[in-house]
Amino acid sequence: NAGVTQTPKFRVLKTGQSMTLLCAQDMNHEYMYWYRQDPGMGLRLIHYSVGEGTTAKGEVPDGYNVSRLKKQNFLLGLESAAPSQTSVYFCASSYGFGGSSNQPQHFGDGTRLSIL
Amino acid sequence: QQPVQSPQAVILREGEDAVINCSSSKALYSVHWYRQKHGEAPVFLMILLKGGEQKGHEKISASFNEKKQQSSLYLTASQLSYSGTYFCGTEYSYGQNFVFGPGTRLSVLP
Repeated sequence: NAGVTQTPKFRVLKTGQSMTLLCAQDMNHEYMYWYRQDPGMGLRLIHYSVGEGTTAKGEVPDGYNVSRLKKQNFLLGLESAAPSQTSVYFCASSYGFGGSSNQPQHFGDGTRLSIL
Repeated sequence: QQPVQSPQAVILREGEDAVINCSSSKALYSVHWYRQKHGEAPVFLMILLKGGEQKGHEKISASFNEKKQQSSLYLTASQLSYSGTYFCGTEYSYGQNFVFGPGTRLSVLP
């Protein structure tokens, strides 16, 4: 089992460019999440999905869009990249939602994104 | 509303014990604990639910104090492999998104 796979692992963009980060999970999890991690800030939730075809905003959604067309995939898009979006992005999935179902989140290895 | 973790950083010698706290000003429903090694993904340690018992495995355990709205992670007889940043994630009600704390950096020296 691969678990949660993120592509690409590294990317450098220029301000104003667009890109899509892909997250794929092979555990048949219903719930998927996108986080960004900045020094001293911990993990902040950008968007999440509670099932195929559904998405919802998290704590810091501005400047990002997501789609969940297939249960196993969760895409994060940056329409017009800004230097403030330089960060490490983590995707995660879980069988149940957060702690309510006593289910842990499984994280991918992260995408390191730099916006110049 | 981000939980507060203390201490921000701690340095130990192998075999010493450590306690990491995660506190909230709002009533907690559940607390998750994760460990992240440098350059790697966070890895799940345990979940504590409101009203639940203290949990643990091997030399890492945690408790949930509802009166204080605080969870504590206990690392006993620390090993070099325990080094990393420990994050708590707090959930304030059933089904609500939980919020991660800023992390506690733990360094275990030989």
